[in-house]
Amino acid sequence: GEQVEQLPSILRVQEGSSASINCSYEDSASNYFPWYKQEPGENPKLIIDIRSNMERKQIQELIVLLDKKAKRFSLHITDTQPGDSAMYFCAASAYTNAYKVIFGKGTHLHVLP
Amino acid sequence: GALVYQYPRRTICKSGTSMRMECQAVGFQATSVAWYRQSPQKTFELIALSTVNSAIKYEQNFTQEKFPISHPNLSFSSMTVLNAYLEDRGLYLCGAQGDTEVFFGKGTRLTVV
Repeated sequence: GEQVEQLPSILRVQEGSSASINCSYEDSASNYFPWYKQEPGENPKLIIDIRSNMERKQIQELIVLLDKKAKRFSLHITDTQPGDSAMYFCAASAYTNAYKVIFGKGTHLHVLP
Repeated sequence: GALVYQYPRRTICKSGTSMRMECQAVGFQATSVAWYRQSPQKTFELIALSTVNSAIKYEQNFTQEKFPISHPNLSFSSMTVLNAYLEDRGLYLCGAQGDTEVFFGKGTRLTVV
């Protein structure tokens, strides 16, 4: 299977707190896991990604964790700000002769002031 | 930088008619192009993945007869929605792959009336 499950679908957090989004995948050949942020009316933008040779990656307030055995990966946003409010999509991808990116269903993050 | 342009950004077509949308990669060579559809309140469904010098591979529930795709070179791809009906409405996204990353356009929003 190639499904990517993403939870929660809606996440409300207080400004300054952390937000966590969890995803799981089925295809054991998946080796690239990008995260996208989509604001209303805009295209999804890559915010952070992790490859299967890593377990953790951090870019400023974004942390991604990957557990290959459990086929799970997660995004953690520390010190959330109102500008972090958006739709977030996880994705899993296996490279054969091209990256076939399969998206999760998305998480609508609301950062409350 | 690497950019992906999609046009038109928005279009309205009558039920049963067809419309063509285009995807242009700028600043990089798109060795593969994936077309997605984001239906209202849903995630991005992969329609097909087109790789240069390989056959276009359609996902389950999507066919070449309904969504013919052209990928004539490393910077351009087009897709047509034939005989569009209400269930075809949504945001059609083009994802063009560079060396290691997939870049997305802003999408073509299709309304069917």
